[in-house]
Amino acid sequence: ILNVEQSPQSLHVQEGDSTNFTCSFPSSNFYALHWYRWETAKSPEALFVMTLNGDEKKKGRISATLNTKEGYSYLYIKGSQPEDSATYLCAFYQGGKLIFGQGTELSVKP
Amino acid sequence: ETGVTQSPTHLIKTRGQQVTLRCSSQSGHNTVSWYQQALGQGPQFIFQYYREEENGRGNFPPRFSGLQFPNYSSELNVNALELDDSALYLCASSLRSSSSTDTQYFGPGTRLTVL
Repeated sequence: ILNVEQSPQSLHVQEGDSTNFTCSFPSSNFYALHWYRWETAKSPEALFVMTLNGDEKKKGRISATLNTKEGYSYLYIKGSQPEDSATYLCAFYQGGKLIFGQGTELSVKP
Repeated sequence: ETGVTQSPTHLIKTRGQQVTLRCSSQSGHNTVSWYQQALGQGPQFIFQYYREEENGRGNFPPRFSGLQFPNYSSELNVNALELDDSALYLCASSLRSSSSTDTQYFGPGTRLTVL
């Protein structure tokens, strides 16, 4: 059974703080890792698709890194804003399906 | 371009009943995947449909079944509902069935409550 773990489960930060969280996944048979951002009452929104060891992707204040050899990815948010409050999900691709972690719930207080 | 839509938004059923959930794919997408998200967990893969055929299934019993139509919209059917089936059901569409890098675009989900 494949396990995708995310930590921490939840995070409360002040506006302006920078933050990061972790996604751990199996290091063998790696194809791709997907990151999603999911605001309450909305659809999960794709952030990044990461494929290569050492990959780094950036979208505005959000960036992600990937280490396929040790099986982890970090998501960073620089200068958090209240609108960044959401659940951040990572998903390991295997055979056409995405295997999701349980998510990190981020709350940014003004 | 229309995104992925799902209906209904919420549904309440009783144990033993049957339910049908619907999903309209993003325009141009021929692959639909269904996921179940129970409270406190990440979404779990139920199955995927590609060009009207089931193309992969997760660890769900046969009472979970699906259909995909020629316009690539899809249905998820659950028979003999159990209390544990209470969850958010998400569908996601993508351009290709077996590309690791294709983004899966999600709908907002259907919240099913089984009493």
